[in-house]
Amino acid sequence: TQLLEQSPQFLSIQEGENLTVYCNSSSVFSSLQWYRQEPGEGPVLLVTVVTGGEVKKLKRLTFQFGDARKDSSLHITAAQPGDTGLYLCAGALSGGTSYGKLTFGQGTILTVHP
Amino acid sequence: EAGVAQSPRYKIIEKRQSVAFWCNPISGHATLYWYQQILGQGPKLLIQFQNNGVVDDSQLPKDRFSAERLKGVDSTLKIQPAKLEDSAVYLCASSLRGSGTKNIQYFGAGTRLSVL
Repeated sequence: TQLLEQSPQFLSIQEGENLTVYCNSSSVFSSLQWYRQEPGEGPVLLVTVVTGGEVKKLKRLTFQFGDARKDSSLHITAAQPGDTGLYLCAGALSGGTSYGKLTFGQGTILTVHP
Repeated sequence: EAGVAQSPRYKIIEKRQSVAFWCNPISGHATLYWYQQILGQGPKLLIQFQNNGVVDDSQLPKDRFSAERLKGVDSTLKIQPAKLEDSAVYLCASSLRGSGTKNIQYFGAGTRLSVL
């Protein structure tokens, strides 16, 4: 059972379209991170959200952390072929011996066609 | 600033053979992580070191996997003997410290292992 469920698993869209990727859990996280991974490379951090309800923008990417800190979303406006890649969410659990340990979702493979 | 270095980039072995991966973290980073990423899945933490001590190895299959970070800098991950299901990308990451909401992990490019 995945602690973090990402949806959709695959997304194939045309350049210029908008999209949203979701990351859901029944657990509360102290923070949640979004990564982008290209083939043959390691994940690269895009953003960290910490506060419930927080919204962060990175150019055409908008990240939101749920009020209860159990879920998050990534919205891309006017997608471009350069956005193609694997998008991963990762949550850091609160407290105890798991503090700071990242648990990753299974990822969303995004393909943007020109 | 140099990133996390991993070698080799690719390795093909037969089942029951042994294999070792090497990781050199970013200079000054106290925390080092090894992840296993199976095709189509997100990375799964195998082991976390703080300097040369193990912080978390709860998901490391200790009957066949071992890892060390003797001098608190670079690290090796070994699999002996390998099984078909060990085929995956092995990612190394490092961070300045191991916890806190501003803890940023920097990943290497990974070693792609194929077990035949």
